[in-house]
This record gives sequence, C-alpha cells and structure tokens, in this order.
Amino acid sequence: DTEVTQTPKHLVMGMTNKKSLKCEQHMGHRAMYWYKQKAKKPPELMFVYSYEKLSINESVPSRFSPECPNSSLLNLHLHALQPEDSALYLCASSQGASAGSKGLSGNTIYFGEGSWLTVV
Amino acid sequence: AQKITQTQPGMFVQEKEAVTLDCTYDTSDPSYGLFWYKQPSSGEMIFLIYQGSYDQQNATEGRYSLNFQKARKSANLVISASQLGDSAMYFCAMREKVTGGGNKLTFGTGTQLKVEL
Repeated sequence: DTEVTQTPKHLVMGMTNKKSLKCEQHMGHRAMYWYKQKAKKPPELMFVYSYEKLSINESVPSRFSPECPNSSLLNLHLHALQPEDSALYLCASSQGASAGSKGLSGNTIYFGEGSWLTVV
Repeated sequence: AQKITQTQPGMFVQEKEAVTLDCTYDTSDPSYGLFWYKQPSSGEMIFLIYQGSYDQQNATEGRYSLNFQKARKSANLVISASQLGDSAMYFCAMREKVTGGGNKLTFGTGTQLKVEL
C-alpha cells in the first residue's frame, strides 16, 4: 500500500466551482510534488515543494494554486478550471532536496493513488 | 536537457515467461538516477526499481531487474515469471537535479504490457 494518501479519489466540478485536492505523507519526506497526467500520456510535473517552500512551478496557470501547510501535507486549490484540465492528478514525495553529485541512491519518489478530476 | 525514450508502445507476454521492456536515455550530467514505475488502470504509480549512475551492479527487486548498460545509455526492465497482475503501463523515468531543492522526474512515453494465459 502506498504511504502517500490522496483525497478525494474522484472529483467532478463545474467551471465556476472552487475545490481542493489533498495529499498527505507520514514518511518524514521533505519534498512533495504535484503531477498532472492526461489519458495515455506520461505524468507532467506541475509543482515541487522542498522544506515547505515552493521550489518549482512549471508555468502552471494560476487557476491551480498549491499550498504546503506543513511538511506532511500538500494541497492543490482549484478555481475556474476548464474542461481540458480534466486529468489524473498525482501527488508524490521524496526524502529530501536534490542529491549532490554522488550518492543518489535513495531519494526514491513515491506516488499516491491519484485524484481523478473531471471538469464539466 | 534530459530525454527518456521507450520505443515499445505495447508488449504481450505469456504467463510465467520473462519479458524485457526497453528504455534509453540521454543526459550530459554524469550524476543521474533511473526509475521504473508500474501504473495499473486504477491510476496509482507504483515504484518498482531504481538504478543510480554510480551504482556498479544492476539493481534487482524480487522479480524485477534492471539491465543497466551505461555506455549504451540504456536501462531495460526485466520482469521474470510474468503474472496476470503484471498487466499494466510501465514508465521509465530519469531524475534531474534541481536548484532550490526537490527532484524532477522526466518520464518516457510508457509501455503497455499485457500478460496472457
């Protein structure tokens, strides 16, 4: 069983709604991620948090707003989404910040079960 | 920029047989990590195996082994004794170092594996 927990598993929302996706991990990991995956495509990175600070925003539209309240929690706030935003949203975590030039073993990135989002 | 290539969109294998899923990569960074993930239709991305660029031996995890050929820049996944439950999408991924902290995974396009009786 995955130790990264995502809720809800399924979400249907209208284009004027405001909703949130939640992610929780209790592995003591200090880096957390949001990925978006469209059908039949690989996941694409959206955001990276390291030690509760946003370190990467992959030019994601502002209708997606991430939040990291503490080292165990990661939220993705959704507002005024479009139907093309319908996708599987995957949360992930890893032990720490990027490794140095050596010793890259470990730092495995663990994913949750995902939240299936449908925008109508 | 890093690049991951999976050239097999779909593969079939008989139950109990071994199967190799191909992955090649390109990077100018001497320090990198390679991952394989399994994604069933339920959506969860399940970590299978990891290989670091400085690791001397090929990684193994149960029925999974990684055939790492550094000079050829390939990191093929070998699944031995296939089971019906192995039917899923398999992604190869490479980790990039990121300034500011965290990791960035670049994924290949995936291989859909179907295990048949």
